[in-house]
Amino acid sequence: QKEVEQDPGPLSVPEGAIVSLNCTYSNSAFQYFMWYRQYSRKGPELLMYTYSSGNKEDGRFTAQVDKSSKYISLFIRDSQPSDSATYLCAMSYNTNAGKSTFGDGTTLTVKP
Amino acid sequence: NAGVTQTPKFRILKIGQSMTLQCTQDMNHNYMYWYRQDPGMGLKLIYYSVGAGITDKGEVPNGYNVSRSTTEDFPLRLELAAPSQTSVYFCASTGSDQPQHFGDGTRLSIL
Repeated sequence: QKEVEQDPGPLSVPEGAIVSLNCTYSNSAFQYFMWYRQYSRKGPELLMYTYSSGNKEDGRFTAQVDKSSKYISLFIRDSQPSDSATYLCAMSYNTNAGKSTFGDGTTLTVKP
Repeated sequence: NAGVTQTPKFRILKIGQSMTLQCTQDMNHNYMYWYRQDPGMGLKLIYYSVGAGITDKGEVPNGYNVSRSTTEDFPLRLELAAPSQTSVYFCASTGSDQPQHFGDGTRLSIL
């Protein structure tokens, strides 16, 4: 069993939809939780990171962490065609500068 | 622009050849990482470094070597290229308690 499992997708939604991207994990020692966005033929770029459980909002993006269920989510409100990309969740033990374990990614297409 | 620079962007190798993937960062970050990403998969850690002169193995180190003689540079060496090493390679760096910054990758095919 992988340490981090991500909903595989692909996901296709109409413009303006609310998107939910999800990951589960098995190691309760993870403390830092990150979401990266990766456009085609580019490196991942950090969207959001959170420490421990709770919610964090940044514009149209909301990250949720539920450590009791070992479940994290990224919500995108009012999705735009420019949000079309692969989204990777990542987790690390003791700092978000440390080694991270990544999910396999979910590819999202937002259709105009 | 400040960031992580990887060269080359593309490379085709023959089985058994060797090459070095270059990575340099100008943010004075102590931590640097090498990942590989196979199609449809996430990133797997090959090697990492917490500072000049210090390196350690990640999840998939076999077939690779690294060195870290300066803070800025973290080259990855393939000694005997094998088809299983066909992948996209990403270098990343970070400072203390900061998220990782990634380069745009090197696409490597071994035929």
